Amino acid sequence: GENVEQHPSTLSVQEGDSAVIKCTYSDSASNYFPWYKQELGKRPQLIIDIRSNVGEKKDQRIAVTLNKTAKHFSLHITETQPEDSAVYFCAASKRGSNYQLIWGAGTKLIIKP
Amino acid sequence: DTAVSQTPKYLVTQMGNDKSIKCEQNLGHDTMYWYKQDSKKFLKIMFSYNNKELIINETVPNRFSPKSPDKAHLNLHINSLELGDSAVYFCASSLRGVSSGNTIYFGEGSWLTVV
Repeated sequence: GENVEQHPSTLSVQEGDSAVIKCTYSDSASNYFPWYKQELGKRPQLIIDIRSNVGEKKDQRIAVTLNKTAKHFSLHITETQPEDSAVYFCAASKRGSNYQLIWGAGTKLIIKP
Repeated sequence: DTAVSQTPKYLVTQMGNDKSIKCEQNLGHDTMYWYKQDSKKFLKIMFSYNNKELIINETVPNRFSPKSPDKAHLNLHINSLELGDSAVYFCASSLRGVSSGNTIYFGEGSWLTVV
C-alpha cells in the first residue's frame, strides 16, 4: 500500500533563512498532495496542496514542488519568520480510496531568532 | 460559528471508565473523520464516515465505537479506557472525500488523559 516518508523529523533554521521539507511516496497512482501546518496546541490546517498534473505551486512565501518520476514532493518556506514554527505534515491520496490520505510523520520546524 | 466543533476539549478520566467525545460540523460536508494524535504527533486515522455510512475503519480496538446520527455529527465512544488511549483526538470533515482535493477541516481536538 501507499507509504509516505517525511524528512527531516526536526529542522532548525535561522529566522530569515529558507526551510525545505521533503516527502517521498510509494504509489505512483497518488494524485493529490497536501501540506498541513500544526502550531503548538492547535489543530492541523491546510497551507498548500498540489495535484499530480502540476509541477510547482506557490503562495507568497511557501511553495510546493512535485517530481512524479522520482515520487517525491517538497515544501519550501522562504524568509522564515517566528510564526512559521510548527509541525508540518505532508500527505498523499491513497489509490482506490476517496476518503483517506496517507500522512507523513511530521516535521517540527524551529525558527531561531 | 466554529466550522468543526468537538466537546469536551479536555478530559481526564480513570482507567476502565467509558467516555464519549462529540463532534459537529456546520460546513455542509458529507465526510467526517476521527483521527488520533499521540505524543509523537503522528496523525492516525481511526474512522471515516460519508453521509452517515462507515467508510474507513482502521485497525482500532473495538472498545472504540463511532456513531453518526446524521452527516453533520460524528461521535466517538470509548469503553474500558486504557492508559494507552491517552492522546489528542481530532474530529475532521471534508466536502466529499479527499482524492478530489477537498480540504480536511479539523476540530480543535479533545485532549484525553487516562490515569
